[in-house]
Amino acid sequence: LAKTTQPISMDSYEGQEVNITCSHNNIATNDYITWYQQFPSQGPRFIIQGYKTKVTNEVASLFIPADRKSSTLSLPRVSLSDTAVYYCLVGESGGYQKVTFGTGTKLQVIP
Amino acid sequence: EADIYQTPRYLVIGTGKKITLECSQTMGHDKMYWYQQDPGMELHLIHYSYGVNSTEKGDLSSESTVSRIRTEHFPLTLESARPSHTSQYLCASSDWDRKNTEAFFGQGTRLTVV
Repeated sequence: LAKTTQPISMDSYEGQEVNITCSHNNIATNDYITWYQQFPSQGPRFIIQGYKTKVTNEVASLFIPADRKSSTLSLPRVSLSDTAVYYCLVGESGGYQKVTFGTGTKLQVIP
Repeated sequence: EADIYQTPRYLVIGTGKKITLECSQTMGHDKMYWYQQDPGMELHLIHYSYGVNSTEKGDLSSESTVSRIRTEHFPLTLESARPSHTSQYLCASSDWDRKNTEAFFGQGTRLTVV
C-alpha cells in the first residue's frame, strides 16, 4: 500500500496559482495517482488522475516527476470557491478494490 | 452528474434504535463503499464491496453491517444506535481499477444519535 503525505493546510490569495505536493515514496509500478476535492458537508469529487509527466484538464494540472515518488496538483488562479480539502490517492496494487483517503490538505483562499 | 443517492440526508434518532442508511446507484458500478467522517476530520473507510454478495470491512472498525444483494443497492445498518455513532456517512461507487480511479459520492447522511 502506497502511503501518501501531504501538507495539512495551505493559505493562498485569490488569483494566485496554488501548488499542492503529495509524497508517495512506495508507489508501485502500475499505480495511478488521483486527486479529489471536498467541500464541507459534501462527498469528495474527482479532480484529476495521472500516471507520469503532466496531465491537464479544465480544472487543474497534475505534474508527476520521472521517479513518480511525488506529484503536484496545480490550481491556476484560485478563487474563494476553491477553498476545500484536497486529497491525493494512490491506487493499491493487487486489486484496487479499496479507495482509501489520507488526511488531505485544507486550502484556504483569502480575499 | 453522478447517479448515486443516499437517504435520508439527515436523521436524528434515539439511543438503542435500529437504523438503516440507504445508498443506491444507477451507474452499474461493481464497487461500492461506505465512509464515516466527523466534521473537519478525514474520511474513514468502514465497508466496501466489489460486487453482489461480497462485502469487506474497511480500515476503521465499525459496529455497522452492510449487505449487497443487488448491484445498485448497498445499505448500511446499525442494530442499536449509540451517541458514539453520531457522524456523517458517505456512500460511493466506482469502476475503480488501475486506469480508472474516479469514485462517485452521494450527498451523505448526517446521523445524530441522542
